[in-house]
Formats: sequence, structure tokens, C-alpha cells
Amino acid sequence: DIVMTQTPLALSVTPGQPASISCKSSQSLLHSDGKTYLYWYLQKPGQSPQLLIYEVSNRFSGVPDRFTGRGSGTDFTLKISRVEAEDVGVYYCMQSLDLPLTFGGGTKVEIK
Amino acid sequence: QLQLQESGPGLVKPSETLSLTCAVSGASITHTQYYWGWIRQPPGKGLEWIASVFYSGSDYYSPSLKSRVTISVDTSKNEFSLKVTSVTAADTAVYYCVSHYGSGTLRRSWSDPWGQGTLVIVSS
Repeated sequence: DIVMTQTPLALSVTPGQPASISCKSSQSLLHSDGKTYLYWYLQKPGQSPQLLIYEVSNRFSGVPDRFTGRGSGTDFTLKISRVEAEDVGVYYCMQSLDLPLTFGGGTKVEIK
Repeated sequence: QLQLQESGPGLVKPSETLSLTCAVSGASITHTQYYWGWIRQPPGKGLEWIASVFYSGSDYYSPSLKSRVTISVDTSKNEFSLKVTSVTAADTAVYYCVSHYGSGTLRRSWSDPWGQGTLVIVSS
């Protein structure tokens, strides 16, 4: 199985300040087609997860441009340029390069 | 707009079988770019993929659950289902049904949207 490791476990951020979450995979998520199959999800309190970023750096439909995904190979980062109150929740990275589909343990973001 | 809705008992006794159904609306379950799957989340914990299925019946399972899980699809009802046998307290979780969008493959797909989730408690 591909193991996904996220850090930190939790973040407390002042509104308007940036936030950064790291995700590392136990093996490269680069496929021979040139794409890297790493995704970011946000689970807001009491809701189901929603897709934010696909294939490392592509924002999903309706996702604000304050969310940016970067990385390659085994090291990935989700950055929020200016955190807003609506960004609170748990962020998960996920890989679909290989089965089983696996998720990081999650990073809880709260507002100070 | 694609939507998924889980249904099934919220309480299951230990050693019995957990059965859930996911109704798909806004798209045909025979859409060739979608797989359909189940992901669960124990209370206060992270996400675990369980199984996924294509409309043709092609299915994939998490190795850790494969011996107890069956996923199936009913194209006439536009829904798919999950069965987990011999449940224990460790199977207590919110169960989400999810669509995996790709090129007719589960690998290299993204998972969205998700259903709202249904809490299943295993207890006598």
C-alpha cells in the first residue's frame, strides 16, 4: 500500500494569514502518462469531504484561488494564501495512482 | 448535477451483516467515466476506502476488508450497494458512497461528489 503522511496534525491560524499543509507519499505518485495522482480534500465540520485540488495543482470547480497545490514525486503541499473562517475543517491528501486508494491522516485547521 | 444518497440501517448487531445502498441521481450509473465506491470514517478518525465498482460489475476491494465485503451495482435502479459480513465494533463508522471520475478506470480517478454519509453503529 502507498502510505500517505500529513503534517502537521493541526493548525491554528489567524484570519488573513497563510497556512501550509504537507503530504508525503511512501512512493512516487508520478504515472507514466506524466500526471501525478495526488488530491486534496476538505471536510468541513459535519459535512462530507469535498475535492479541492486534483493532480497536485489543479483547483476543482468553484475552489477559490487562495488554495494552491504544489509538489512532485513524493512531496506535496497545500497552501492557503489567506485563511478565511469558511476554511476550517480537516484537510486530507489522497492518492489514486495505485490500489488501495489511500488517504493521509488529516490536518485539522482552526481559526484563532 | 450528480448526487449520491446513502440508505440503510443505522444499527447492526455484532456478527451480523451490514447492508447499505447508494442512490445515484443526476447521471446514469452506466456512465463510462465513473466508478462507484464506498469509503468509511470511524468516529473521530480518518478516511478508509472500502470498495468500488464499475457499472459492468468490475470491482475492486481494500485488501484489509476483501474477505468480508461485497459491492454490487443495480443499473435498473441506478444504485449500488455494499455488504459487510461478520461485523464488529471496529466497523462502526460513517459510511460514504462516492463517485470516482476518471477514464473508465478506478486508478487515476478523483473521488467527488460524496454522499452525505450514514452512521452505522455495531452494537448489541
